[in-house]
This record gives sequence, C-alpha cells and structure tokens, in this order.
Amino acid sequence: DAKTTQPNSMESNEEEPVHLPCNHSTISGTDYIHWYRQLPSQGPEYVIHGLTSNVNNRMASLAIAEDRKSSTLILHRATLRDAAVYYCILRDWGSGANNLFFGTGTRLTVIP
Amino acid sequence: SQTIHQWPATLVQPVGSPLSLECTVEGTSNPNLYWYRQAAGRGLQLLFYSVGIGQISSEVPQNLSASRPQDRQFILSSKKLLLSDSGFYLCANGGSYNEQFFGPGTRLTVL
Repeated sequence: DAKTTQPNSMESNEEEPVHLPCNHSTISGTDYIHWYRQLPSQGPEYVIHGLTSNVNNRMASLAIAEDRKSSTLILHRATLRDAAVYYCILRDWGSGANNLFFGTGTRLTVIP
Repeated sequence: SQTIHQWPATLVQPVGSPLSLECTVEGTSNPNLYWYRQAAGRGLQLLFYSVGIGQISSEVPQNLSASRPQDRQFILSSKKLLLSDSGFYLCANGGSYNEQFFGPGTRLTVL
C-alpha cells in the first residue's frame, strides 16, 4: 500500500471546524483513501473513506483533491470527544488481505 | 452489528513466560481476522491475518504465533515473552474493502 504523510499534531478550539490534511502523492488508481481515529487506550475507529468524489457521513467529511494526491478530513464542529490520533490510510481494493498500514497519524488536541 | 471481544484487557508478564491472547467475533461469519501491535507512541504494526480456520499468514518474523481454531476465534501466543513484546495488541475484523472493526485491545507489559 502506498504511503501517506500527515502532520504530527494539530490543535483546534472547541466548536470550530477542523481540517486534517493528508498527502499521498504516490497513490494508485485503485487505492481508496481511508480515515480512522484512535482515542486514548482504545482500538482505532473507522471514520470515512472515499475514492475520487468528496464524501460525507455523520462523523465527518472527506475532501479529495482532483489529482487524488492529497485529501482533507473535515470535522465540522470539533468537540472534546474528537480529541484523538487521526490516521490517513491508502487501501488497494485489489489486495486480498484487506490489512491496513497505519503510520503515526495526526494527534488532534481540542481546546475548550 | 458485529462486536469484537478481547481478553484480558491488561496483562503483566515476566520475561520468558508464555502468552495467550484471545479474540472472538460476534455478529458476522467467515470474517477476515487480524492481529496488530502498537508500541507506545507508535502506529499499528500488522502481525498476523487469517482468512479462515487454520489459515494464518505472518507479516513479520517474530517471537509470536497465531492460531484460528474456530471461525470466529483468533488466538495470539508466545512460548517465551521478550521485553520487546510489550505493547497494545489489537484484534480486528475486515470483511470487505470498506472498513475494519477493531476490538478494545489488550495492553501487555513484559517485565
């Protein structure tokens, strides 16, 4: 699976939008972009995924650049419960094992 | 909806002792199951995955082994623990390309 690059940490004020960037310049045509988050002492939690078009769900929005070499996870209104490490992962839908490569992610701090 | 159980939640073991961590899955059948390890302050490292009973693939050479005795049971083992085996062990289920579901994890400390 191709590699992703994320900032180590970000801060946001509570109730403000948060834009978490991810670069994936070596993405292939069959790579899906996945986002997971991990709260302290818990397993990762799926957030959202997409291929080419922007995606929205109850947790977040995913904005994908036209060339697919970068994407942004958008939390529309940060809460204290959103404080976590956010992982951007590329997943080749053609791979058989369905395993995910987690980097070190972005640690989001939400300030009350 | 599916649920992944892991136990124990925490474990402290001496170096050289054996290890057995268990993962069971409810609410789905024929899952693809995974064991990950997360060292302190690091990302997740895939250790093993299994696509069915008795089928185990290892991602990295190591001191650990895995077994899949039943469809919804995945076990991580070691005959002799090393200090470097300390970490947060996560079991996951991924049945499609969409997402993986993770269990609550087991925090292992080897002293």
